[in-house]
Amino acid sequence: QKEVEQDPGPLSVPEGAIVSLNCTYSNSAFQYFMWYRQYSRKGPELLMYTYSSGNKEDGRFTAQVDKSSKYISLFIRDSQPSDSATYLCAMRAYSSASKIIFGSGTRLSIRP
Amino acid sequence: EADIYQTPRYLVIGTGKKITLECSQTMGHDKMYWYQQDPGMELHLIHYSYGVNSTEKGDLSSESTVSRIRTEHFPLTLESARPSHTSQYLCASSEFWESQDNEQFFGPGTRLTVL
Repeated sequence: QKEVEQDPGPLSVPEGAIVSLNCTYSNSAFQYFMWYRQYSRKGPELLMYTYSSGNKEDGRFTAQVDKSSKYISLFIRDSQPSDSATYLCAMRAYSSASKIIFGSGTRLSIRP
Repeated sequence: EADIYQTPRYLVIGTGKKITLECSQTMGHDKMYWYQQDPGMELHLIHYSYGVNSTEKGDLSSESTVSRIRTEHFPLTLESARPSHTSQYLCASSEFWESQDNEQFFGPGTRLTVL
């Protein structure tokens, strides 16, 4: 069983829609939760970084962590064609600073 | 923008050849990493380094080797390439203590195809 599960999509939504991306995990030791965005033929770039449970907002992006359910989400408001990319959730425990566990990524396409 | 470079970006090579994938960063980061990424799959850590002369194997078994002779340089070598090595290889770096301000920066990747 994978430590991190992520729906691979692809997910296609019209421009302006609210997008919800999700991951579930099994390791209760995970404390740091991240979302990376990866454009085609590029390396991943960090989009959101959250410690423990709660919400974090940055512009059109909101990250939510529910540690009791072992469930994290990324919401994109007013989605734009430039948001079309693969979104990877990632997480790590406090005690293993070097080892980030990645989800398999959700491919998102925003239709103009 | 992160200053981490990988060369070549694309490589097609025959079975049995020795190859070296280059990774350099200009941020003075202590930690460097190599990940393997197949389409639709997770990134798997294959090697990492805490600093000069430090190398460790990651969670995914790999026939590749790495070296860290200089802080800025972390090359990955395959002594004898096989078709099973076909994949995308991503290099990343970070400061020693990872946090929101010190996240892992990724290079653009090398897409390797072994015929």
